[in-house]
Amino acid sequence: GAVVSQHPSRVICKSGTSVKIECRSLDFQATTMFWYRQFPKKSLMLMATSNEGSKATYEQGVEKDKFLINHASLTLSTLTVTSAHPEDSSFYICSARWASRGSPLHFGNGTRLTVT
Amino acid sequence: TQLLEQSPQFLSIQEGENLTVYCNSSSVFSSLQWYRQEPGEGPVLLVTVVTGGEVKKLKRLTFQFGDARKDSSLHITAAQPGDTGLYLCAVVQGAQKLVFGQGTRLTINP
Repeated sequence: GAVVSQHPSRVICKSGTSVKIECRSLDFQATTMFWYRQFPKKSLMLMATSNEGSKATYEQGVEKDKFLINHASLTLSTLTVTSAHPEDSSFYICSARWASRGSPLHFGNGTRLTVT
Repeated sequence: TQLLEQSPQFLSIQEGENLTVYCNSSSVFSSLQWYRQEPGEGPVLLVTVVTGGEVKKLKRLTFQFGDARKDSSLHITAAQPGDTGLYLCAVVQGAQKLVFGQGTRLTINP
C-alpha cells in the first residue's frame, strides 16, 4: 500500500535554531501534502496545505515565516521550523494524497520535536 | 468553534465491556472518516462512511453514519487492550482539507 515516510522521527534542538522535517511519498506521486501539529493528548490541527510547485496555503493563526514549507517535487515536502522556541515543541505529522481529489490521505509516522 | 465534537473525550473501561463514542456536528457532510492513532504514530484510517444511515462493520467495531449525515458513532463490542488508542473522526472541508474532531482517548484495562 501507499507509504509516507517522515524524517526524522525525533529531534531535539536548542532555542533559536532551525529544524527541517522531511515528508516523502515512497510509491506514489503526491501533488498535495498536508502538515499537522498535535499537542499532547490533543487532536491533529492542520497547519498548512502544500501543493507541488506553488506556495503553501497556511491555516489561520499559523505563521508562514516561522513554519516554512517547500514542496519542490512530487514526492517530497519539507517543513522548517525557524528560530525554534520551547513552545514549538510538538508532534508534527504530514500526510499526502495522490493526484486524484477523491483519493485517500496517507499519513506519516510523525516527528517529535523538542526545543530546549 | 469546533466543526466536529467528539464525546466522550476520555474513556477508560475494563476488557470485555462494550462502548460507543460519538462524533457530532451541525453541518452536513458528504462523507466522514474514522481513524485510530497510537502513541508516536500517525493516524490510520479505519473506515469511510458515505450514505446517510450507513452501517459498516470492521470485526468488533461498528460504524454508523447518521441519517442526516451530520453525525456518526463508533461502537466497540467486547473491548480488548489492543483497542486502546486515540479515535478520531474527520471530514473533508472545502476542496481537500481533512479536519479532525478532538478525539476520544480510549483505554482498555486488562
